[in-house]
Amino acid sequence: GDSVTQMEGPVTLSEEAFLTINCTYTATGYPSLFWYVQYPGEGLQLLLKATKADDKGSNKGFEATYRKETTSFHLEKGSVQVSDSAVYFCALSGTSGSRLTFGEGTQLTVNP
Amino acid sequence: DGGITQSPKYLFRKEGQNVTLSCEQNLNHDAMYWYRQDPGQGLRLIYYSQIVNDFQKGDIAEGYSVSREKKESFPLTVTSAQKNPTAFYLCASSTQTGAGQPQHFGDGTRLSIL
Repeated sequence: GDSVTQMEGPVTLSEEAFLTINCTYTATGYPSLFWYVQYPGEGLQLLLKATKADDKGSNKGFEATYRKETTSFHLEKGSVQVSDSAVYFCALSGTSGSRLTFGEGTQLTVNP
Repeated sequence: DGGITQSPKYLFRKEGQNVTLSCEQNLNHDAMYWYRQDPGQGLRLIYYSQIVNDFQKGDIAEGYSVSREKKESFPLTVTSAQKNPTAFYLCASSTQTGAGQPQHFGDGTRLSIL
């Protein structure tokens, strides 16, 4: 079945540092890929998505590129802020519909 | 503004008691979902519904029940058969126009045992 693997956390960075959170997936066909962010005590918010190979999703300075050849969708940001501290989830939806498969999440803490 | 409303925000359950978590959406979405989130873990799918009066079990449906009598509403009942119900429960919805449609989430209900 479908699965998503994220780099283990927690990740702690200083403000303005470069961020990479790795995400790889296993799925048949051509899934759609998503990054969600969860702030403390809240639900998940869609951060960005990509629906086909080589697509780049971007939002709020975050980017991720759908790499079919390496089955990856790594999240990057050039300069993190304290307000980016949250849990980040990578997810995919298969070709059969909108049901999502999530990774385990990566806790990011950004210190001033 | 359109969105998903979950209530209550906090809920406590006594031994042997059933409790119901509410989820309402005004996004006109066809599909709705319930997830369970445990500390430090990802989301696990409990039940989902793609259309009114129809729903399917997810990966961890035992001890839970749902109904979908209206498009806007998808309540989740945590029954006494669920022996470890303490968790954060998230409701989500999406359109049904195929893969690639993102899910929109409510702010969750935190359930604890008294």
